[in-house]
Amino acid sequence: DAKTTQPPSMDCAEGRAANLPCNHSTISGNEYVYWYRQIHSQGPQYIIHGLKNNETNEMASLIITEDRKSSTLILPHATLRDTAVYYCIVMYGSGNTGKLIFGQGTTLQVKP
Amino acid sequence: DSGVTQTPKHLITATGQRVTLRCSPRSGDLSVYWYQQSLDQGLQFLIQYYNGEERAKGNILERFSAQQFPDLHSELNLSSLELGDSALYFCASSVVQDEQFFGPGTRLTVL
Repeated sequence: DAKTTQPPSMDCAEGRAANLPCNHSTISGNEYVYWYRQIHSQGPQYIIHGLKNNETNEMASLIITEDRKSSTLILPHATLRDTAVYYCIVMYGSGNTGKLIFGQGTTLQVKP
Repeated sequence: DSGVTQTPKHLITATGQRVTLRCSPRSGDLSVYWYQQSLDQGLQFLIQYYNGEERAKGNILERFSAQQFPDLHSELNLSSLELGDSALYFCASSVVQDEQFFGPGTRLTVL
């Protein structure tokens, strides 16, 4: 599985968009980019995933560069409840093997 | 609420003991995953079962074992416990390799 690089921490003002970057320069063609977050010591929560195209759901948007070597998770209107550790994970997308390899993630602090 | 349940929530035991952690996946999910989160190692994948069969293995110690039963619930057995085994243990489930739903975790403290 390809490795990812994320900044250790970021701040964001409440109500503003939070843009969390992730580098995955060794990603291969059949590997997906997944984002999860973990609030305090709760179980991680799935946010979004994508392969090539940009994706949007009710929680966030995922922008993947054309060369797929980096991506950005966008929380359009961050709230205090979005304060969490955000993990960018690259995972091989085949069969029924779906182990998630978590890195250190980015601690997002949303401030009032 | 993810729909994944884990019991017990907290477990305190002594070194050398054996414990069993239980996970009930979401209805219909065939895959169950176990993860360990400790302060120094972060979140680590331990093992995956799919419909009763072991599918993938991560950094799982030989003292640890798991199984998935016909009703799809899973158990993680930890034996000869050491202080360093103190951690949060998460179970997750999924239908296929898309979104994994995590349970609330079991906090294990080894004294």
